[in-house]
Amino acid sequence: EAQVTQNPRYLITVTGKKLTVTCSQNMNHEYMSWYRQDPGLGLRQIYYSMNVEVTDKGDVPEGYKVSRKEKRNFPLILESPSPNQTSLYFCASTRGGAGYNEQFFGPGTRLTVL
Amino acid sequence: KNEVEQSPQNLTAQEGEFITINCSYSVGISALHWLQQHPGGGIVSLFMLSSGKKKHGRLIATINIQEKHSSLHITASHPRDSAVYICAVGRYNTDKLIFGTGTRLQVFP
Repeated sequence: EAQVTQNPRYLITVTGKKLTVTCSQNMNHEYMSWYRQDPGLGLRQIYYSMNVEVTDKGDVPEGYKVSRKEKRNFPLILESPSPNQTSLYFCASTRGGAGYNEQFFGPGTRLTVL
Repeated sequence: KNEVEQSPQNLTAQEGEFITINCSYSVGISALHWLQQHPGGGIVSLFMLSSGKKKHGRLIATINIQEKHSSLHITASHPRDSAVYICAVGRYNTDKLIFGTGTRLQVFP
């Protein structure tokens, strides 16, 4: 089954404790992206990757890191989480460019930073 | 002003009603996407279109490129259609999506 998986689905942590949210896709997609969703603001792009070892900033990259060492995986790293990073996070993948291809979303990770 | 605007923000309907959700955008686009997000969070792609009209079951999406406007129609609405509907556009000549803030639809029996 074609899918994007994220782990964990729910996470409560404390300020400053490094964490990683994993994302994996089994569709051999080149493009992967991380979004955060906040009430009233919609989805905003954090980082994206066009292919292995190619990553770029989205609209709200501050406080986040990513890596793309393998085509299927695109982890999101919060080196020192802060309460303003409390949000619902989605990973997505698509073949080719995000604007003109169907997006496949992961199930979401709800993060709370105390 | 947001580059992608949706209306209405909230919509309630009785089962069986015809529903229209609107999306206007202010940038050049490569394509427009309609997404559905059910309570519990998961997001699925409903349509991607760059011209004309697409239909899938009871859902119809149209786009007018000259007017920079798209509509999502739901015919014979059902309580299981209750969800947030999100419009997103692929900004022309980039690999980025810009999202609207969504329309929350509730369909009552």
